[in-house]
Amino acid sequence: DTGVSQDPRHKITKRGQNVTFRCDPISEHNRLYWYRQTLGQGPEFLTYFQNEAQLEKSRLLSDRFSAERPKGSFSTLEIQRTEQGDSAMYLCASSSPGTGGPNTEAFFGQGTRLTVV
Amino acid sequence: GQSLEQPSEVTAVEGAIVQINCTYQTSGFYGLSWYQQHDGGAPTFLSYNALDGLEETGRFSSFLSRSDSYGYLLLQELQMKDSASYFCAVKVDFNKFYFGSGTKLNVKP
Repeated sequence: DTGVSQDPRHKITKRGQNVTFRCDPISEHNRLYWYRQTLGQGPEFLTYFQNEAQLEKSRLLSDRFSAERPKGSFSTLEIQRTEQGDSAMYLCASSSPGTGGPNTEAFFGQGTRLTVV
Repeated sequence: GQSLEQPSEVTAVEGAIVQINCTYQTSGFYGLSWYQQHDGGAPTFLSYNALDGLEETGRFSSFLSRSDSYGYLLLQELQMKDSASYFCAVKVDFNKFYFGSGTKLNVKP
């Protein structure tokens, strides 16, 4: 399978616990994105990496959130001290280098659905 | 920042043609993409316009007018499987993507 894979697919956690999600992008893609999606809304941009460098973080990403991509391949998103408002689908996407055209579009994984109880 | 507007819901019958509009405001605009998302699924790429005009991919076409900050997705010969949410997304500053809130398309027999 050459698509974007995310693990786990579902996570239920108690408020205040820490959670970590993993994303494995398409292997030749050097750009990796994290998005958050709540019911009835579009994906909201959280952060983006080019290789191992985190180039931008949204203001939505509070200091409880941290993302890494240590070797420029897989990425992790950690949420510390989870709150009920963190319940959402967390989507990872990757894209290849280039200046435009369909081959630079974002390809999404199936997401990790987080429920904070 | 970015803002994108698209209708929240559209209903059409099987076999018909439907157009989903998207207007946007952003800086650093590179292009406009369209994604489809079925309930519980991942967004999947449909179409991309960097230049003004119409791009056709099978039953789906997408249009862009950069001067009007406007685009649309046209779906022809609607099928029941086309029932899904459709998102427009602006490509900004070389390679970031910002999404609209989506249009839920209901296809009825």
